Amino acid sequence: DIVLTQSPATLSLSPGERATLSCRASQSVVGSLAWYQHKPGQAPRLLIYETSNRATGIPARFSGSGSGTDFTLTISSLEPEDFAVYYCQQQRSNWPPVIFGGGTKVELK
Amino acid sequence: QVQLVESGGGLVNPGGSLRLSCEASGFTLSDTYMSWIRQAPGKGLEWVSYISSNDPYVNYADSVKGRFTIYRDKAKNALLLQMTSLRAEDTAIYYCARTYNSGWDLNWFDPWGQGTLVTVSS
Repeated sequence: DIVLTQSPATLSLSPGERATLSCRASQSVVGSLAWYQHKPGQAPRLLIYETSNRATGIPARFSGSGSGTDFTLTISSLEPEDFAVYYCQQQRSNWPPVIFGGGTKVELK
Repeated sequence: QVQLVESGGGLVNPGGSLRLSCEASGFTLSDTYMSWIRQAPGKGLEWVSYISSNDPYVNYADSVKGRFTIYRDKAKNALLLQMTSLRAEDTAIYYCARTYNSGWDLNWFDPWGQGTLVTVSS
């Protein structure tokens, strides 16, 4: 099975700073990646699908890139509402049909 | 507005059963793939099960296979998860999510419900 490793586990930043979140696959990803934002007590929210497409209503400060085994979610300038946990997810996985990374927590410095 | 609302969680003894429900509004649930995903305390997200649209095909994570059953109630526009033989390790927040697919492959999840907490403990 493919394993998605997200790094760092925790990112301590201030509003206005740039956040770079990594998602590395244990083997080349045939499909693409999706990214989600999750705040405590709330529903997870789709940010990015097909590696680089922003979901409806997602601000332009969120962007996704990558291919093969290395993928990145970038938040160009953190807003106060961006402090949350972010998960990557492999699309079109063979088995299991859904694979999530372990998450990166973006916390206020 | 597309929305999902889960219910049915609670405290249950090991070996017990529970049925979760996910009511949809703003779309017809049976027209799409749907999934259950859970998050154990302090852990990340774990896919549990999905059901395809029309002539439903279902699939389960190995950790729940043979114990959980996913199905739909078309009259209520709801997704259900019947959980039996519950174990302490099933303790988690359970989310339902509309699932975008390419043929048999799952792509992404949008939207998600707020989740319902299942606690398995004596």
